Amino acid sequence: DAGVIQSPRHEVTEMGQEVTLRCKPISGHDYLFWYRQTMMRGLELLIYFNNNVPIDDSGMPEDRFSAKMPNASFSTLKIQPSEPRDSAVYFCASMTQPGVNTGELFFGEGSRLTVL
Amino acid sequence: QKEVEQDPGPLSVPEGAIVSLNCTYSNSAFQYFMWYRQYSRKGPELLMYTYSSGNKEDGRFTAQVDKSSKYISLFIRDSQPSDSATYLCALVSGGYQKVTFGTGTKLQVIP
Repeated sequence: DAGVIQSPRHEVTEMGQEVTLRCKPISGHDYLFWYRQTMMRGLELLIYFNNNVPIDDSGMPEDRFSAKMPNASFSTLKIQPSEPRDSAVYFCASMTQPGVNTGELFFGEGSRLTVL
Repeated sequence: QKEVEQDPGPLSVPEGAIVSLNCTYSNSAFQYFMWYRQYSRKGPELLMYTYSSGNKEDGRFTAQVDKSSKYISLFIRDSQPSDSATYLCALVSGGYQKVTFGTGTKLQVIP
């Protein structure tokens, strides 16, 4: 398997523009997570899905952020409108099943977003 | 107060040194503890996990958990330049779905 695939790897946009980040999880993984990483706050969980259903979106910072998972092999994270404080690296990760020996998160390489 | 505190470093050591990386946490609900390693411009990768107090060894790496003090450590013996990365502690409570990460400690091993 190719691992978790994210696109784009880099995105530079202007304030007010819509940004869409994409993720393809590892096949067979039932859980998908979106994280945001900054120097100040580290890795923060934004939202996660189980079997394509959003389970917990309490980490989504505000209504400008939305995430969807239309099928088991694709998810998007959308920011509209974008602001400079959204600049960060956004990671997608997938997991087979939570548990003591199975709860490993497999991360993609991240999407580095810069909002000017 | 943050749920997980981790010194961001950077920590710079000579090759061959013993490295100690630490995290403290405040929530007693955390039951399962992991360390992830993140190379520059890459996603984190699981290094070790443990769910009980005490030590767990894997090659040059030892994870230590002290639940009574809410303190976890990662020791690296005979550190190598290839160990240069950011190390993130990761803690999980009973449901296992949500992983709370420390901010990470950046380690540089000088040849």
